[in-house]
Amino acid sequence: GAGVSQTPSNKVTEKGKYVELRCDPISGHTALYWYRQSLGQGPEFLIYFQGTGAADDSGLPNDRFFAVRPEGSVSTLKIQRTERGDSAVYLCASSLSGSNEQFFGPGTRLTVL
Amino acid sequence: GENVEQHPSTLSVQEGDSAVIKCTYSDSASNYFPWYKQELGKRPQLIIDIRSNVGEKKDQRIAVTLNKTAKHFSLHITETQPEDSAVYFCAALRGNKLVFGAGTILRVKS
Repeated sequence: GAGVSQTPSNKVTEKGKYVELRCDPISGHTALYWYRQSLGQGPEFLIYFQGTGAADDSGLPNDRFFAVRPEGSVSTLKIQRTERGDSAVYLCASSLSGSNEQFFGPGTRLTVL
Repeated sequence: GENVEQHPSTLSVQEGDSAVIKCTYSDSASNYFPWYKQELGKRPQLIIDIRSNVGEKKDQRIAVTLNKTAKHFSLHITETQPEDSAVYFCAALRGNKLVFGAGTILRVKS
């Protein structure tokens, strides 16, 4: 079956601009996660959704970052007033309710010039 | 919060030899420990995992061991092949979030 998909695969933007990154989880997966991976490092947790609600947003670095999942499926990560330090690969993962196994998407590579 | 340390950062082995990657974690409440393989520019792929009520798990050439008392777990790859070359990440699940190690670059030389 289809895995987790993310769009766009690459996004180049200028400092100060607003960006939206989209994640399509595996069908039927109620849990959705966003992680950020900088070059040469492991993924770092940003936010976790169970259904439509953000159950844990403790990893969001500041209030420029926000994520939604209005219908409990697709999620959008929104970054306002982007900074060069936001450049990274943004990974989305999903899992079945009650399962620990998280399946990752291919990521969106964000470059802030 | 949880902290995961991973060693070594790079590992070169000859094809056919074994490779071992070790991780330690800090939070005794962590109860699930997956290993991911990530090839350049690709998504992390789950290759094996272990839960805290199990000491060892094996899947063909890959095995993982867990020592809850010492709070460390290891990935063992036997009979390495060139296609095993990738970055390997360990992780610990704390609540609903995975905390990852910094990764190990494995190079298998043929």
